[in-house]
Amino acid sequence: EPEVTQTPSHQVTQMGQEVILRCVPISNHLYFYWYRQILGQKVEFLVSFYNNEISEKSEIFDDQFSVERPDGSNFTLKIRSTKLEDSAMYFCASIVSGYEQYFGPGTRLTVT
Amino acid sequence: DAKTTQPPSMDCAEGRAANLPCNHSTISGNEYVYWYRQIHSQGPQYIIHGLKNNETNEMASLIITEDRKSSTLILPHATLRDTAVYYCIVRVANRDDKIIFGKGTRLHILP
Repeated sequence: EPEVTQTPSHQVTQMGQEVILRCVPISNHLYFYWYRQILGQKVEFLVSFYNNEISEKSEIFDDQFSVERPDGSNFTLKIRSTKLEDSAMYFCASIVSGYEQYFGPGTRLTVT
Repeated sequence: DAKTTQPPSMDCAEGRAANLPCNHSTISGNEYVYWYRQIHSQGPQYIIHGLKNNETNEMASLIITEDRKSSTLILPHATLRDTAVYYCIVRVANRDDKIIFGKGTRLHILP
């Protein structure tokens, strides 16, 4: 069964550093999402992406965040200058259209 | 999306049926009931969804009351691997917008 993959599984970075989290959505999917989950809290929506542009973003997704689909397979989330409060699990998801979202296993980001 | 209410936690003995309730009294006519689960530190996983008829797949059954104000997710023979947080979500089907997760029900399967 096809699945969404994410790399790395765990990323440790120092405050102020840039990080790029990578996702490979399922190949025929058209819509892509990033969510995050701070330890012990709810899964929160960050951004959705379709047709090479952001379709919706949350209040969390400020100027420090950006997304990109640099080629036909990868979907990335960049945090320009990480803060301690960015420490969380980051989940990528994708969808064909009109069906359920498939989530990746997540990247644990630890900012020290 | 309409709000849902779920108990924060439940226990179920291994091998027994796990029945997870959800209240969604403000559900609209075009909104479906979706269930996802999240096993510890993994990404959420789709389980099942339905509009008004009961639904069954290889993972679970979904029972929706006639007035659609509540539903029950049934795991017929719970195993230890079913220990997870289960989210009941109400949303319009065939939409590609975000999922809004609540706190869900933490289901503990007891050996």
